[in-house]
Order: sequence, then C-alpha cells, then structure tokens
Amino acid sequence: AQSVTQLDSQVPVFEEAPVELRCNYSSSVSVYLFWYVQYPNQGLQLLLKYLSGSTLVKGINGFEAEFNKSQTSFHLRKPSVHISDTAEYFCAVSDRGGNTGKLIFGQGTTLQVKP
Amino acid sequence: DTAVSQTPKYLVTQMGNDKSIKCEQNLGHDTMYWYKQDSKKFLKIMFSYNNKELIINETVPNRFSPKSPDKAHLNLHINSLELGDSAVYFCASSQRLAGGGDTQYFGPGTRLTVL
Repeated sequence: AQSVTQLDSQVPVFEEAPVELRCNYSSSVSVYLFWYVQYPNQGLQLLLKYLSGSTLVKGINGFEAEFNKSQTSFHLRKPSVHISDTAEYFCAVSDRGGNTGKLIFGQGTTLQVKP
Repeated sequence: DTAVSQTPKYLVTQMGNDKSIKCEQNLGHDTMYWYKQDSKKFLKIMFSYNNKELIINETVPNRFSPKSPDKAHLNLHINSLELGDSAVYFCASSQRLAGGGDTQYFGPGTRLTVL
C-alpha cells in the first residue's frame, strides 16, 4: 500500500520570500511522484512530476522539487513567491509498475502568500 | 475548447434524490477518472475507465454508478443521495492507463450539496 504525508497543513509566507512545502511518501514499490496545484474554486493542475533521471525537477511558475529516495521525500520549493501562488498544493504518487493509473494524494498544504 | 469539462458546476438537491454529473474530455485520452474531494479537501479516487472499460472501483457504495458511453465521456449517476455525499467531484483524464506516469488533467469540479 502507498501513502503520502504532507507535513504542513498551512504555510503562511510573505510575498517574495522563499517557500518549501514538504511531502513524504511510503510505498513498497517504486513510484512516480507529482505535485498538483488547486487555485480557489478550480480543478487541479500539474506543477511538476518525477518519472526518472535527474532528481531535481523543474515545473511551471518557477517551482521545483527534489526527489530523495533515501528519505522518501519530494519537497516542493520556490525561491520567491507571489500573491498569485496562494492556493492548495497536493503531493501525489502512483505505482510505477501499475496498470490502473491510480493517484494517491496527500492531505494538501494551503499556501497563503501575504503582501 | 476546455480540455476536461463537467456539468453542472453546482448541484443542490434533497436527500433521497437521484442525480447525474457529466464529464467530457476533448484531449483524445484513453483513460478517465472520478475523484471525490471532501470538506477537508482530501482527494480520493472513486473510479477509472480505460476505453470504456471499468478498471478501478475503490469500494464506492453501489449507489454510485459510472457510465462511459464512449472514451470521451464518463458520467456519474448517484442514487438515493445521502448527506455524506456532499463533496466536490472531479473528473480527470490521462493519455494512457498503464505505467502510472501520465499526467492527469482535471475538470473544474462539481460541487454537490445534499440537504
């Protein structure tokens, strides 16, 4: 079985400050890793994903994440946030060898960017 | 030209009623999903379909019946609605089912409120 834990339910930060949203996962099999963003009253949109290769993944809107296999983590970072980054962020995993496409989501982290 | 669309966006109904939510994708994808997001924003997969074939049924009550008339459409019918069914329901699609690494594209969601 797989599970995803997002360690912070809310992260308040001032505009132009750096931010890190933490994600740890547990799985008995190899996984793919994803970060999705949900803006208020909208559906989810992919920020970035790790499939293979370089453990540092760059995504849209200046976000990046680093896969750390030994720590089973996939933390999301941005060096300087904007007000428009205020949203709900979800970390997710899927079974690398699976045939269902099933995504397991974390509980979400609310990023609140203050002026 | 929305990639994944859902109707209706809002649905308010009484307990015991039957209702349907429709989903369409114009991305040419083979696989479609239904997710439920509860009041704490936790997302959980309910169903997935691949080329009109049911792949995942995540222990969802049989009051929920998905139907896929073709691979571009996946509808969700709910019988005998209960208070606990109140949630936001998201439709999603991905290119393929196998492997789990494909990006899932989400619709805008349908907010169901059962009174």
